[in-house]
Amino acid sequence: DTAVSQTPKYLVTQMGNDKSIKCEQNLGHDTMYWYKQDSKKFLKIMFSYNNKELIINETVPNRFSPKSPDKAHLNLHINSLELGDSAVYFCASSRQEMNTEAFFGQGTRLTVV
Amino acid sequence: AQTVTQSQPEMSVQEAETVTLSCTYDTSESDYYLFWYKQPPSRQMILVIRQEAYKQQNATENRFSVNFQKAAKSFSLKISDSQLGDAAMYFCAYFFYGQNFVFGPGTRLSVLP
Repeated sequence: DTAVSQTPKYLVTQMGNDKSIKCEQNLGHDTMYWYKQDSKKFLKIMFSYNNKELIINETVPNRFSPKSPDKAHLNLHINSLELGDSAVYFCASSRQEMNTEAFFGQGTRLTVV
Repeated sequence: AQTVTQSQPEMSVQEAETVTLSCTYDTSESDYYLFWYKQPPSRQMILVIRQEAYKQQNATENRFSVNFQKAAKSFSLKISDSQLGDAAMYFCAYFFYGQNFVFGPGTRLSVLP
């Protein structure tokens, strides 16, 4: 069983389109995250979300929005895609406690053309 | 805000030899967690080793061990008997309760046959 799963694995789309990336975790974790990995491999937090609070990195454009239908899912919706949005997006989850670790999905490579 | 620094963008090691990857971090907290994650070409983020800051004993996992110097805020990873499969990006990460995982910029490790 895959602990954290993302779909799709690859996404190629045109500028201006709207797209979503889905993420599901079956670990019973209470916190989920979205990270962006740029071309230099740097991992930058975009959002973190638990059943109480959404924390948004202030540098993330408001074209990006997380949507959580329930505790096991945190989808990423992107409006009006731009060339600079091309990157690998990782979903992750963890327990919000000290004895924890982050479990990652396999990543979604988004290419905007 | 917490920051994590990895001063070695790239490292190489001969197969069967030992290599040490460096990591420093900045925090005002006393109880936190540190991690090393491995990202092979498959893109999957894999936990290599974890260290609790309140534990003085350095963590070990088979061929992987850390040198945790709390006062110096240093957390290096030693890989012994390097194998071709160890070739990957290695990310140092910091976690404190209630916050997200903060990653360093990564070190690309090459293993030479």
